[in-house]
Amino acid sequence: SQTIHQWPATLVQPVGSPLSLECTVEGTSNPNLYWYRQAAGRGLQLLFYSVGIGQISSEVPQNLSASRPQDRQFILSSKKLLLSDSGFYLCAWSIDRNQPQHFGDGTRLSIL
Amino acid sequence: DQQVKQNSPSLSVQEGRISILNCDYTNSMFDYFLWYKKYPAEGPTFLISISSIKDKNEDGRFTVFLNKSAKHLSLHIVPSQPGDSAVYFCAASSNSGGSNYKLTFGKGTLLTVNP
Repeated sequence: SQTIHQWPATLVQPVGSPLSLECTVEGTSNPNLYWYRQAAGRGLQLLFYSVGIGQISSEVPQNLSASRPQDRQFILSSKKLLLSDSGFYLCAWSIDRNQPQHFGDGTRLSIL
Repeated sequence: DQQVKQNSPSLSVQEGRISILNCDYTNSMFDYFLWYKKYPAEGPTFLISISSIKDKNEDGRFTVFLNKSAKHLSLHIVPSQPGDSAVYFCAASSNSGGSNYKLTFGKGTLLTVNP
């Protein structure tokens, strides 16, 4: 069966520091991969998606970037974190578009 | 502009009764709808989905109804159990253009099932 791993579960970072969140999927090949963010009091917002290695699409302009160095690895990064980057970050995968997306357990990011 | 709305932030029901969670959408291009359940400190878990070519989909205790003319869908849980207590998110996507990878989520409804 397929599993998705996301780490760390919580992270506290100072403003201006870099960020790297990692997500890996097991048990499937060539999945679509997604990064979402949930800010306080808001719904989940899609940040990036990827349909293959090295293919990244950005949904909203922001201080973050994503990379997919391997088929089942998706990384969310920032060179300099802002206070507004605080939130709950979720990675997800799907077999194809218009198929359910399956989520990891998320990373709670707090910026001080 | 919130394209998927869950107007009830919370709902409380008795164990064994029916839970009805509602969701409205504004984008007429949405053609695929999903419900997710989320426990604290966990990611959302997929529950059930429905395509716009159908008006009902059933999976065990969970049934989703879609009313396209009203741009409204609902999730029925029968019978409700205390373990169903969680936040439920409605989500939608569109097959048009390049946007069919994106799920648009509502803000969620907290369901509490009382023993």
